[in-house]
Amino acid sequence: DGGITQSPKYLFRKEGQNVTLSCEQNLNHDAMYWYRQDPGQGLRLIYYSQIVNDFQKGDIAEGYSVSREKKESFPLTVTSAQKNPTAFYLCASSRFGTGGFNEQFFGPGTRLTVL
Amino acid sequence: QKEVEQDPGPLSVPEGAIVSLNCTYSNSAFQYFMWYRQYSRKGPELLMYTYSSGNKEDGRFTAQVDKSSKYISLFIRDSQPSDSATYLCAMSEDTDKLIFGTGTRLQVFP
Repeated sequence: DGGITQSPKYLFRKEGQNVTLSCEQNLNHDAMYWYRQDPGQGLRLIYYSQIVNDFQKGDIAEGYSVSREKKESFPLTVTSAQKNPTAFYLCASSRFGTGGFNEQFFGPGTRLTVL
Repeated sequence: QKEVEQDPGPLSVPEGAIVSLNCTYSNSAFQYFMWYRQYSRKGPELLMYTYSSGNKEDGRFTAQVDKSSKYISLFIRDSQPSDSATYLCAMSEDTDKLIFGTGTRLQVFP
């Protein structure tokens, strides 16, 4: 089955700790994205990557870091610098640069709670 | 002012009703307009997309874009309890960076 997997589904973190969220896709997509979803605020873009070993900040990158060492993987680290990390985190992937519409496919999400 | 505005609802309708969901936006450079459906605690899935202005129909769903008014709509005909979800509009200039609305929660009761 082709798709996007995110793990874990639920994650609890103590204040001051860094935590890494996993995102893997087997759709052979070049582009991958991380969004944060809070109640009443929709999805906001954290980071995105259009090619291996390259990534760009989205609208709310402060307190987060990413890496893109493999095409299939785009892990997100929530650092202790992120002031309000409790949220639902969604990873997505898409084709890139086709000149037409590139649908973003979403994973099932990781719910992070800071205790 | 947010780039994309969407009424959060909730919207509660009886089964069989016609549902109208709407978003307004401020960026005239948006060319791609999308509607995603998100069930509780799941990732969003694309329902429909429209390029530029016009209408698009897919089964019970119709998407409309009015660029002159900066207004998009999603109509659901013969709504079913299985349509109960949050509906997110999204827009972009080039499909790579999406700007989402806050989502409208829809409940269809039997």
